[in-house]
Amino acid sequence: QKEVEQNSGPLSVPEGAIASLNCTYSDRGSQSFFWYRQYSGKSPELIMFIYSNGDKEDGRFTAQLNKASQYVSLLIRDSQPSDSATYLCAVNGAGKSTFGDGTTLTVKP
Amino acid sequence: SQTIHQWPATLVQPVGSPLSLECTVEGTSNPNLYWYRQAAGRGLQLLFYSVGIGQISSEVPQNLSASRPQDRQFILSSKKLLLSDSGFYLCAWSIPPDANTFGSGTRLTVV
Repeated sequence: QKEVEQNSGPLSVPEGAIASLNCTYSDRGSQSFFWYRQYSGKSPELIMFIYSNGDKEDGRFTAQLNKASQYVSLLIRDSQPSDSATYLCAVNGAGKSTFGDGTTLTVKP
Repeated sequence: SQTIHQWPATLVQPVGSPLSLECTVEGTSNPNLYWYRQAAGRGLQLLFYSVGIGQISSEVPQNLSASRPQDRQFILSSKKLLLSDSGFYLCAWSIPPDANTFGSGTRLTVV
């Protein structure tokens, strides 16, 4: 079992829809959780972080964390074509982050 | 503000040749430093991380090595490249538990 698993995708949604990205992790000692966006050929950039159980909203993005279920999700509301990218889930513990393989999202106009 | 510099952006090297990739960070002290590799269409594989000068932890046994000669300098090296070393190499820094900030990456093609 991988340490961090993401829904394999690719995921395609129409413009204006909600995109839902999911991630599970195996280390119960994990302390912080991140979502990165990576455009093709570019390096990842942080879009959301969450440390506590519950929801965290930032503009069109909402991160959800459930430590009991070892589950992290990212919702993107009113999806735009510019949101088309690969989204990487990362889980931090012991001073380093472990990344999932990513989910590629395509938003169709 | 903090910045991270990574070079070169692209590199084509023959099999068996040496490698040296350098990464420097500005605007922060005593960061954790990381080298990742990303194969095409895949996630990030952590290769090495460092919590201080001269302190290197290797995550994956291979023909690569890393060094941290200064607080904000991280170097990835190989004595003899293999075809399987091709990939997108990313340097990153963080102050835990905060997120990684990545450099712009080096696309290495071994031919």
